[in-house]
Amino acid sequence: NAGVTQTPKFRVLKTGQSMTLLCAQDMNHEYMYWYRQDPGMGLRLIHYSVGEGTTAKGEVPDGYNVSRLKKQNFLLGLESAAPSQTSVYFCASSSLQGAYPSSTDTQYFGPGTRLTVL
Amino acid sequence: DQQVKQNSPSLSVQEGRISILNCDYTNSMFDYFLWYKKYPAEGPTFLISISSIKDKNEDGRFTVFLNKSAKHLSLHIVPSQPGDSAVYFCAASASNPTSGGYQKVTFGTGTKLQVIP
Repeated sequence: NAGVTQTPKFRVLKTGQSMTLLCAQDMNHEYMYWYRQDPGMGLRLIHYSVGEGTTAKGEVPDGYNVSRLKKQNFLLGLESAAPSQTSVYFCASSSLQGAYPSSTDTQYFGPGTRLTVL
Repeated sequence: DQQVKQNSPSLSVQEGRISILNCDYTNSMFDYFLWYKKYPAEGPTFLISISSIKDKNEDGRFTVFLNKSAKHLSLHIVPSQPGDSAVYFCAASASNPTSGGYQKVTFGTGTKLQVIP
């Protein structure tokens, strides 16, 4: 049981390049999330998904796209990278079981992807 | 507008003493609060949570206190151990029956705890 995995762990891009970050979870969770973490800003939600084939915008969605073609995978795309997208990106998943609130609502995070855009 | 605030970016405590990490929130709709712990080069991991119907939740060395009137919660670690050195994130969510079961979680900026041996 690997939990939540992210690929790649590190990446350096030039401005204007594109890339896709892959997140995979093996816990059969319905919900998946992409966050970015910046110094002094905490974790900010980029996009999320409440199930296979669904996506929704979070707090800071501009410049990113996502897809959830399979329940276990959640992809984050940068079509034209900008230096402002230099950050650490975390994927997370969770499963809503029973009545809210519940400790099972907690999110399980991947190890992160450190992205630098030059 | 930062709805969840952790005003202390860092905290140093001697091993064996109590660590108290504080968190304030502004959104009165928040009804579930969580603490996550993050080591360098790893993702955050869930530590402890509390529902707004309670004012205290305890799990081993970790206790979270909630003061709804002050919109304040705190995490107490007793006794503190060097392995507790990490960044601690406070998080909050509000129930929303129209969101298809999803409750957006808002994170604070984190407090870096250093436990000195």
